[in-house]
Amino acid sequence: DAGVIQSPRHEVTEMGQEVTLRCKPISGHDYLFWYRQTMMRGLELLIYFNNNVPIDDSGMPEDRFSAKMPNASFSTLKIQPSEPRDSAVYFCASTPGPQYEQYFGPGTRLTVT
Amino acid sequence: DQQVKQNSPSLSVQEGRISILNCDYTNSMFDYFLWYKKYPAEGPTFLISISSIKDKNEDGRFTVFLNKSAKHLSLHIVPSQPGDSAVYFCAASAQGTYKYIFGTGTRLKVLA
Repeated sequence: DAGVIQSPRHEVTEMGQEVTLRCKPISGHDYLFWYRQTMMRGLELLIYFNNNVPIDDSGMPEDRFSAKMPNASFSTLKIQPSEPRDSAVYFCASTPGPQYEQYFGPGTRLTVT
Repeated sequence: DQQVKQNSPSLSVQEGRISILNCDYTNSMFDYFLWYKKYPAEGPTFLISISSIKDKNEDGRFTVFLNKSAKHLSLHIVPSQPGDSAVYFCAASAQGTYKYIFGTGTRLKVLA
C-alpha cells in the first residue's frame, strides 16, 4: 500500500486566495482525520470523518475552513479566503477503527503571504 | 485548554544513554495513549501505545510507562541512538471517542 497520499506537498499563495488541500486515505480505512501543526499548538485536530460522513468538526477554526469527503478514497480541506495566520503544515491521517494507530500522510506545508 | 501537555520542548541526550520523554494529561476519561515520532518533512509515525489497564508496555528499546493517579506517562528509549533524533508526540483518547488529542511535541537530539 502506498500509504496516505497528500497533495500538494507545498503551497504558497497570497492572502485572500482559495486553497485546496487533497488527501487519499489508505484503502479500507473508515476514519479520516485532518490536522494542523503549528509551533505553538502542536498537532490540532480540525475535523474527522467516518465512512465519508463528518463526525466532529469542532476543531475547524472558522467558517473560512471547510472539508469534504465525496467518497472513501478522497477528501479535501479548503480555505477560502486564506490568511497569513493559516500558514502551517496540514496533515491527513487515516485509521481502520477507533483506538487503532493513525497513519499520517507526509503533510502539506502551506504558506500564505 | 491543553488536555495533553509536553512541558519540555527539547531534550539532548548522549548516544547510548537513556532518553526520557514526559507527557501529562488532565482528562481522567483518557484510557488509551500513544507515542508518535516525527522526522522533518515527514508525517508522524506510530511508535508505541499503552492502554489504561496496563502501567507498562515495552517494544525493543522503547518502553512506555503510565501512572494513572498522577495522570502522567513517559517514554523511555534505551539505549538512545542518533537515528532517534526526532520530534516525539504523545496522544490520548477516551473510550467511545474516535479522536486523539496530541501534545505539542518534544524535540529529541541524540548526540554521537
